[in-house]
Amino acid sequence: EADIYQTPRYLVIGTGKKITLECSQTMGHDKMYWYQQDPGMELHLIHYSYGVNSTEKGDLSSESTVSRIRTEHFPLTLESARPSHTSQYLCASSGGINEQFFGPGTRLTVL
Amino acid sequence: AQKITQTQPGMFVQEKEAVTLDCTYDTSDPSYGLFWYKQPSSGEMIFLIYQGSYDQQNATEGRYSLNFQKARKSANLVISASQLGDSAMYFCAMRPRSQGGKLIFGQGTELSVKP
Repeated sequence: EADIYQTPRYLVIGTGKKITLECSQTMGHDKMYWYQQDPGMELHLIHYSYGVNSTEKGDLSSESTVSRIRTEHFPLTLESARPSHTSQYLCASSGGINEQFFGPGTRLTVL
Repeated sequence: AQKITQTQPGMFVQEKEAVTLDCTYDTSDPSYGLFWYKQPSSGEMIFLIYQGSYDQQNATEGRYSLNFQKARKSANLVISASQLGDSAMYFCAMRPRSQGGKLIFGQGTELSVKP
């Protein structure tokens, strides 16, 4: 069982609020990822990091930003939430080519 | 273009029977990995099985096996002896070596197991 955690699991927030979705892993993995998933749809990569102080944007454009100051921690921030940001956000990490473990996800609803 | 295609939006299977979920992929990378994940209604992504493009044998993990046909670019998931708890969304994903660790996902197949 992979040790990757996300908080909060559910978040309902008003338009214009700043939010940070937390993701942490205890496996010492260098590579971490953020995916966005609308209900019943496929996952799309929005951010990734291959190590401390390294972050890149993914294939799907996102208004969110990420940081990687510590190996185990990869938070995602939305400066001003909008209803279009309503989605599920899944964090993942990998230590080798044949694995990628996901956290439980955060379901975000912006009113 | 790098792409994963799952053509079955929904599937039904009788409990205790086997079921095959289809997945085809497209990549020009000679080296790649193929993954299957299960996503129950709670939303988490559960890793099921992995197949490397150079692996000679089909991957198996308990009741899950991957029918890898490289020439046809297909990586179908076979679940044997279906259980009610297998009802979930199933996603096929590909990691081309040129993309680093990033996964490309298919649209998913919703499996329903009937008692």
